[in-house]
Amino acid sequence: AQRVTQPEKLLSVFKGAPVELKCNYSYSGSPELFWYVQYSRQRLQLLLRHISRESIKGFTADLNKGETSFHLKKPFAQEEDSAMYYCALTSGSGNTGKLIFGQGTTLQVKP
Amino acid sequence: NAGVMQNPRHLVRRRGQEARLRCSPMKGHSHVYWYRQLPEEGLKFMVYLQKENIIDESGMPKERFSAEFPKEGPSILRIQQVVRGDSAAYFCASSPPGGWNTEAFFGQGTRLTVV
Repeated sequence: AQRVTQPEKLLSVFKGAPVELKCNYSYSGSPELFWYVQYSRQRLQLLLRHISRESIKGFTADLNKGETSFHLKKPFAQEEDSAMYYCALTSGSGNTGKLIFGQGTTLQVKP
Repeated sequence: NAGVMQNPRHLVRRRGQEARLRCSPMKGHSHVYWYRQLPEEGLKFMVYLQKENIIDESGMPKERFSAEFPKEGPSILRIQQVVRGDSAAYFCASSPPGGWNTEAFFGQGTRLTVV
C-alpha cells in the first residue's frame, strides 16, 4: 500500500538544538518526496523537494531509498521554525498535485 | 497574484443540507486538486480536475460528493445531504500545466462543521 508515516505527532526542542523530523514511506516505484510546512494561521506551503536537493531555511532532507526514509533535518532550530510539518509523496509521473501526505508533526521550538 | 482562494473559510451546515465549497486557482493554473483533512489526520487526496474535466476522482466518496471545474469561474466541491462525518477541513490546491517540476499551491482551506 502507498503510505507516508510520520511517527511523531509532536516534537519539542529548545532553540539552537538540532532537529530531525522523521518520515518513512511505502511505495512501489520511484516516488518524488516533499516536505510541506504550515505556519500558524497560514496556508500549507512547499518547503523542499528531494529532486531539487536544496537547503531551504536551513532545512535539508535526504532520500534514503534503502530505508525508504526522507527525514527533515536542521542543525540549529529557531523559534520561527515552530509549525506543522507534513511529509508527502507523489508518483513521480510529473503530477505534483496528487500527493499522499503523512499525518504531520508539530514542531515546537522553545526559547 | 493573490494565491489560491477558497471560500467560505468556515461553513456550518445542519445534517441533511448541502455544502458548496469554492476554489479559485492561481492565475494561469489550469489544474485543481481537492483534499480533505479529518481531525488528527493528514490531508487525503479526493479529486483532480482540469478545466471542464475530471481527471482523477479515485479519492472521492462514491455517494453525495461531486466536483466540477467549469470553463469560467471557480472549482466547486459539492457535498449533498451532509452528515456529521463530513466535518473536516477541505483544501484546494492548484498547479500550472506542464507537470514536471511544477509546484502545487494550496489555499487556506474551508472548515466544514456539520451540526
